Amino acid sequence: GQQLNQSPQSMFIQEGEDVSMNCTSSSIFNTWLWYKQDPGEGPVLLIALYKAGELTSNGRLTAQFGITRKDSFLNISASIPSDVGIYFCAGLSNFGNEKLTFGTGTRLTIIP
Amino acid sequence: DTEVTQTPKHLVMGMTNKKSLKCEQHMGHRAMYWYKQKAKKPPELMFVYSYEKLSINESVPSRFSPECPNSSLLNLHLHALQPEDSALYLCASSPPGREGYEQFFGPGTRLTVL
Repeated sequence: GQQLNQSPQSMFIQEGEDVSMNCTSSSIFNTWLWYKQDPGEGPVLLIALYKAGELTSNGRLTAQFGITRKDSFLNISASIPSDVGIYFCAGLSNFGNEKLTFGTGTRLTIIP
Repeated sequence: DTEVTQTPKHLVMGMTNKKSLKCEQHMGHRAMYWYKQKAKKPPELMFVYSYEKLSINESVPSRFSPECPNSSLLNLHLHALQPEDSALYLCASSPPGREGYEQFFGPGTRLTVL
């Protein structure tokens, strides 16, 4: 089946640093989504991408839909303590399929 | 109302108990989902309801029984669960025309099976 590999698996950064993470697949996706999950809570949708090459921002977050349609990137600028959590990418391969494939997650920790 | 709500937030049950999880949304979404999430893992899809009909069952054991009484409500009935079923159970919904594209999650029910 389809798999999404996220890297890095975990990140330890200082407040104010920029963050980059990515998600890669062996197959093509038509939609990429980025979610953030806080401990004990459900994932919250951050950014949705629908077209290859698309670059979309949401505040300090910027995500890109790779032109090969097999990858996506998420950048966070000037990290703050509330950025701590687990970030999941998710892909949808067929419109109307209703089944998201989730990545393995990137755990972000901010070092005091 | 712009959120998905889930009750209870926490549930502890024995292997012989019968319990139900409840999910509600009043955003007019017609696709609703149940996911299971183990610690440090991504959510795993269990069931999808589209316009109150079960459209996807990801080969989930029959001890989990979903129900969609109306377009705003989704239940997950639990019976004879095993300790390995302990997990965070998440409900999600999608806006009309965006089924699968964008899924909005509830806060989850933390289930512990003793």
